[in-house]
Amino acid sequence: GQSLEQPSEVTAVEGAIVQINCTYQTSGFYGLSWYQQHDGGAPTFLSYNALDGLEETGRFSSFLSRSDSYGYLLLQELQMKDSASYFCAPSVYQKVTFGIGTKLQVIP
Amino acid sequence: GAVVSQHPSRVICKSGTSVKIECRSLDFQATTMFWYRQFPKQSLMLMATSNEGSKATYEQGVEKDKFLINHASLTLSTLTVTSAHPEDSSFYICSARSTEGPLHFGNGTRLTVT
Repeated sequence: GQSLEQPSEVTAVEGAIVQINCTYQTSGFYGLSWYQQHDGGAPTFLSYNALDGLEETGRFSSFLSRSDSYGYLLLQELQMKDSASYFCAPSVYQKVTFGIGTKLQVIP
Repeated sequence: GAVVSQHPSRVICKSGTSVKIECRSLDFQATTMFWYRQFPKQSLMLMATSNEGSKATYEQGVEKDKFLINHASLTLSTLTVTSAHPEDSSFYICSARSTEGPLHFGNGTRLTVT
């Protein structure tokens, strides 16, 4: 079977850095994606790790450790507009499945 | 790049009618498209996976005769909700990818069945 864990809620201050962790258990894994979803909207792609290490895209970075079945999304210089739900999504053969996501609230 | 267009964005229909939702990859060839459904304050639930030219693979509990998926070309997939009922009211989102990489999502279709 497959399992996925990430915190359900995180609150952080504007301008700060926040890390959202994700642990997964699945077979046929070949990469980890991160998506952002604002209330009422569709998910938007943020970052993807196929290999171990850090991927940096502007204020967002994502990290993957295959041996630990672990990844994280790092958001720097938080802005109010970053308040949203964030999903890690393991890619397995022919599927990308989602957990409940992490609701990030950025406060002034 | 990697733009996915989904249409319509909102649809209201009467119970018993059918609704077709289109999903197009605009600037890449989508060998695989996925259809998700999301109820309020819940996660995205995968409904089915479709590969161009093949029959869709449906997730457990999803009625294939009710949710008809066609992936006739590398840039277009359609989901038809047949004989819609109020419990089918939801946010339907398509996504596409060209290789075994990340998904790119359409903007979703909010279906309301009255």
